[in-house]
Amino acid sequence: DAKTTQPNSMESNEEEPVHLPCNHSTISGTDYIHWYRQLPSQGPEYVIHGLTSNVNNRMASLAIAEDRKSSTLILHRATLRDAAVYYCILRDIDNYGQNFVFGPGTRLSVLP
Amino acid sequence: EAQVTQNPRYLITVTGKKLTVTCSQNMNHEYMSWYRQDPGLGLRQIYYSMNVEVTDKGDVPEGYKVSRKEKRNFPLILESPSPNQTSLYFCASSLSGAGVYEQYFGPGTRLTVT
Repeated sequence: DAKTTQPNSMESNEEEPVHLPCNHSTISGTDYIHWYRQLPSQGPEYVIHGLTSNVNNRMASLAIAEDRKSSTLILHRATLRDAAVYYCILRDIDNYGQNFVFGPGTRLSVLP
Repeated sequence: EAQVTQNPRYLITVTGKKLTVTCSQNMNHEYMSWYRQDPGLGLRQIYYSMNVEVTDKGDVPEGYKVSRKEKRNFPLILESPSPNQTSLYFCASSLSGAGVYEQYFGPGTRLTVT
């Protein structure tokens, strides 16, 4: 898997937007960009994924740079419940036998 | 409700006593996997299964066994547990192993080996 780099931690105020960056300079043309998050004392949960175009769902938005070497997860209005570790992961579209590799992620703190 | 279930949620055992942690999914997913999570080391994949009777090693398979006899179940077996296997374990499933699909995780099993 290509490697991703994320800041160790970030802080946000409640009800403000949060932009969580991820660098993946060695991304291949067939790598999907996935984001997961892990709330305290819970298993990871899927947030969003995309290939080339920006993506929106009920949880978040994913903005992908034109050269695909970086991406940003956007939480439009952070709530206390969004405090979690956020993981950015690359997954090859065709590599069925591939390990799923989680890095250390970004620990997001949300201040009331 | 679509979900991945794990049992037990908490387990304290002694060194050498064989144990099995069960994992079951009700989404007809082909891909299933096991992870362990340790402080400072993050989530590491132990084993994964692309489909029934197809399993492969992840990053940290030593000391673990798995089997996939049915699509819905993927038990993790520790034949002779040791204290270094004390960890938080997660099972996950996905429609397939291809990168376009997301994984669904279970609630976790906290294992302590004394």
